[in-house]
Amino acid sequence: AQSVTQLDSQVPVFEEAPVELRCNYSSSVSVYLFWYVQYPNQGLQLLLKYLSGSTLVKGINGFEAEFNKSQTSFHLRKPSVHISDTAEYFCAVRSVGGSEKLVFGKGTKLTVNP
Amino acid sequence: SQTIHQWPATLVQPVGSPLSLECTVEGTSNPNLYWYRQAAGRGLQLLFYSVGIGQISSEVPQNLSASRPQDRQFILSSKKLLLSDSGFYLCAWSRAGGMYNEQFFGPGTRLTVL
Repeated sequence: AQSVTQLDSQVPVFEEAPVELRCNYSSSVSVYLFWYVQYPNQGLQLLLKYLSGSTLVKGINGFEAEFNKSQTSFHLRKPSVHISDTAEYFCAVRSVGGSEKLVFGKGTKLTVNP
Repeated sequence: SQTIHQWPATLVQPVGSPLSLECTVEGTSNPNLYWYRQAAGRGLQLLFYSVGIGQISSEVPQNLSASRPQDRQFILSSKKLLLSDSGFYLCAWSRAGGMYNEQFFGPGTRLTVL
């Protein structure tokens, strides 16, 4: 079985500052990894995904994430955030070749202040 | 392109009343379908999962049930709502048998049980 830990429940930052949202996972098999964003009272939207190949993955809205197998991490980064990035971010994992269900972390609420 | 619909968008129901939430997907065939509940501070909890018509897997024992009467229709029901059923309910779909199965989410239903 897989599990996901998002180490920070809330991250406040100032506009134009860099941000890193941390995600660690646990799995005995190879995994696919995902980051989703949820704006208030909306569904989840896929930001980016890691399937295989290059460990640095670029997504929408200027976000990127790096897969680190040895540290079982998939941290999300953005070099300069905007007010509009204020949202909740979810990391998710599923096993390669196994169940098609995703396992989600509990989310990190990013608040960008002016 | 594919779209996913959920209704109603918001719902206020008294304790003990029945519930029916509907989700439909357009633009794809034989999708996997999912119901999640999102309670404050608890992330996403997978409630039900379906790989085909009439095939429902329950992830969490509770007073909710799900049905899939048509290929692209997924219904979440309850005979008697509890206060603890309040939350944000999300429907999602993914392509069956795909190698990575990212999930696509609907806009959600905000349920308040009073």
